[in-house]
Amino acid sequence: DQQVKQNSPSLSVQEGRISILNCDYTNSMFDYFLWYKKYPAEGPTFLISISSIKDKNEDGRFTVFLNKSAKHLSLHIVPSQPGDSAVYFCAASDLGSSASKIIFGSGTRLSIRP
Amino acid sequence: NAGVTQTPKFRILKIGQSMTLQCTQDMNHNYMYWYRQDPGMGLKLIYYSVGAGITDKGEVPNGYNVSRSTTEDFPLRLELAAPSQTSVYFCASSYPGTGETQYFGPGTRLLVL
Repeated sequence: DQQVKQNSPSLSVQEGRISILNCDYTNSMFDYFLWYKKYPAEGPTFLISISSIKDKNEDGRFTVFLNKSAKHLSLHIVPSQPGDSAVYFCAASDLGSSASKIIFGSGTRLSIRP
Repeated sequence: NAGVTQTPKFRILKIGQSMTLQCTQDMNHNYMYWYRQDPGMGLKLIYYSVGAGITDKGEVPNGYNVSRSTTEDFPLRLELAAPSQTSVYFCASSYPGTGETQYFGPGTRLLVL
């Protein structure tokens, strides 16, 4: 049973346009959400996060939106750049659980085309 | 700072062989984790540790063992390699109170034939 779902395995976006990556979760105990970015042959790197007390968090070109009632979050990248081509993992955590354990989605491969 | 380092980068094992995947972090993080990533899948937690001498099972611990004798090191042991353990293994670490942000190593690609 996947607690964090990324239903789009891949996404292709033209350079300069907006990229929107979606994520759904099922566990209502999750109260912290993160996006990680992964290039080939490298480990994932933290990109942006949001607490359940917020519905939006912005960091430069990256904005994460959280809709708790729908158990849905999205990552917006504006404008998209070639260096954004990577696999993006959505992740969620219950801050009350032990050891900061994170549950990851299966990832969305984003390709930015010229 | 090197961050989280993993060795080896790539290894081929025969069925039934054993090996240890090494992980070291120099950020003085209390928490450390081992994940595996299968093709087209997310990262699955194998084992984790909240400090030296303390380890616990994650979602997919069968076939693996860990130890944590120091804050810096968290090796993962495969005792009897099986083809199902073919995967990419990532080690990560975090500091309590950093909002669950984990820092990952570059990964070890393991092929069991």
